[in-house]
This record gives sequence, C-alpha cells and structure tokens, in this order.
Amino acid sequence: AQSVTQPDIHITVSEGASLELRCNYSYGATPYLFWYVQSPGQGLQLLLKYFSGDTLVQGIKGFEAEFKRSQSSFNLRKPSVHWSDAAEYFCAVGRSMDSSYKLIFGSGTRLLVRP
Amino acid sequence: KAGVTQTPRYLIKTRGQQVTLSCSPISGHRSVSWYQQTPGQGLQFLFEYFSETQRNKGNFPGRFSGRQFSNSRSEMNVSTLELGDSALYLCASSFTETEQYFGPGTRLTVT
Repeated sequence: AQSVTQPDIHITVSEGASLELRCNYSYGATPYLFWYVQSPGQGLQLLLKYFSGDTLVQGIKGFEAEFKRSQSSFNLRKPSVHWSDAAEYFCAVGRSMDSSYKLIFGSGTRLLVRP
Repeated sequence: KAGVTQTPRYLIKTRGQQVTLSCSPISGHRSVSWYQQTPGQGLQFLFEYFSETQRNKGNFPGRFSGRQFSNSRSEMNVSTLELGDSALYLCASSFTETEQYFGPGTRLTVT
C-alpha cells in the first residue's frame, strides 16, 4: 500500500541555520510528490511539487526539495530559516485510482525556530 | 482569484447531532476533495467529487456523506456526531488532477 513517512515529529533549528526535513514514500510507480506547510489554525499551503523531470524542485518561500528515486525520498531543504518558517510541514504523495485522485499525507514534522 | 473558502470556520455541536460543512472551490476548479485532520490520525482522505459525482471515498463510516452542486460548491454532512468526529475538516479544490489547493478548514468540536 502507498504510504508516506516523515521520521521526525519535531525539529528545532536556530534562526539563520539550514533546514532539512525528511520524507520517504512507498509507491509503485513514479509518484507525484508534494510538500505543504500549515501554520496554527490554518489550512495547508502548497510549498512545492514534483511530477517529473529535474529532480531538484524550487518552491515558494525559498524552499527546495530533491527527489531521489533510489532512496524513495523527497527531502525538503532551506538554506537559512526565518522565524516565520515555524509551522508544521507535511509531505504527500498523489495517488490516482479509478479516475479519481487523492493525496496521502505523512504524519507531519513540526518545525520550531530558536531566535 | 479568490482561494478556497470554507464555512463556517468554527462549529460546536453535541453528540448525536448532525452537521453540514460548506466548501466553495477556486473559480474554474471542478474537483473538490475533503480531508479530516486529527492529532491522532493525521490527515485522512474523506471523499472526492467531480462534476457532481463522488469519484472516490476514504475509509469512513456511512455517517459521513457529501455532495457537489452544479457550480462545484460542495457540502459534507456528518450525522449522529460522535466525540471522535472532533477535527479540522479541510476542503481542497483542483483544476488538474494533481495540484490541490486547500481552504482554511472548519474546526468542529463535538461535546
């Protein structure tokens, strides 16, 4: 069955430090991969997506992610974290079935930023 | 374009009651999906509608239902509410099959 694993429940980084959030997926075919961010009490905002092609994708707010097929990973990175990046981050894989489509989410990683 | 809107934003209901949540997709989007978010289970897919037809349903009891109107607006209904139905209910709309845009959610509290 398709699944998404985010092994880190919480991560704390200092403002200005680099960030990497891990995501591993299990999916038979080449997946559609996404990272979303959720601020407290808010919905999900799409940060970036990977469908095919270049394995390094750029997103909004200075985030990027790299698709590594051999490792079934799609890790999110940011070179310098800002205090406003504190939020929960969700990795997701898109699954098509029977002409329908849904997202399967990981359990999320909560990012805390130290001043 | 305006984003996905959900009403109401907050709702408090009593066990046994029913509730209806509303979602207005981004203009031009014909697919609407619903997700339930809880601390214990995370984000789980409820159902997806396209052109007024339910195309897919997640693993939820029949108390959870939905519909979509000709203008693509969607509603979901939960009957006979249980304490465990307390959650953030998120609606997402999409134009293409792949990219979903989420609304701010409806926070449902069942007491």
